[in-house]
Amino acid sequence: DVKVTQSSRYLVKRTGEKVFLECVQDMDHENMFWYRQDPGLGLRLIYFSYDVKMKEKGDIPEGYSVSREKKERFSLILESASTNQTSMYLCASSLRDLSNSPLHFGNGTRLTVT
Amino acid sequence: QKEVEQNSGPLSVPEGAIASLNCTYSDRGSQSFFWYRQYSGKSPELIMSIYSNGDKEDGRFTAQLNKASQYVSLLIRDSQPSDSATYLCAVPTGTASKLTFGTGTRLQVTL
Repeated sequence: DVKVTQSSRYLVKRTGEKVFLECVQDMDHENMFWYRQDPGLGLRLIYFSYDVKMKEKGDIPEGYSVSREKKERFSLILESASTNQTSMYLCASSLRDLSNSPLHFGNGTRLTVT
Repeated sequence: QKEVEQNSGPLSVPEGAIASLNCTYSDRGSQSFFWYRQYSGKSPELIMSIYSNGDKEDGRFTAQLNKASQYVSLLIRDSQPSDSATYLCAVPTGTASKLTFGTGTRLQVTL
């Protein structure tokens, strides 16, 4: 079974802090994704990566950056956390051909910024 | 127009009935479509994929695709309380490099 592991289930941070959300997958998947999920807005794509050191902006990249130094690890960085970044963050991975490969999600990180 | 649209619900059906969930998409070139189920407090999990016009059945679930009308639906027969969840429609977009989700339809199966 594919396992996607997110480092924290719950995080509480203060406004202005730098926040790192870590995600590791164990199935050698090429693609990795970061989504945030908010009530009424659904899942929105922040960034994705289809290879090591490659990154692409999703639909809402503002205020975020990412890092993919190794194939199995994809990090989401909030350079200066703000209250509007309070959300559930979901990491996912898939094989390269997204049309034929399901996304496998981690358990999520619920981030609260106070 | 949103790329993927769903009615947010809640859709309430009695146990044993058929639940019908609908999704429309904007990109006529889309070739593959996915339904994910998300229980409260959990992550989404894939339950169905469909690539061709028509119906695809898997147990109590049937996915229906109509590319001309740009909609995809999910039917759940003999609905059970354990089917109560949010159902997300997803379509590859951006030259199939990313998966765009609808906002989801919350299904409640009542006893």
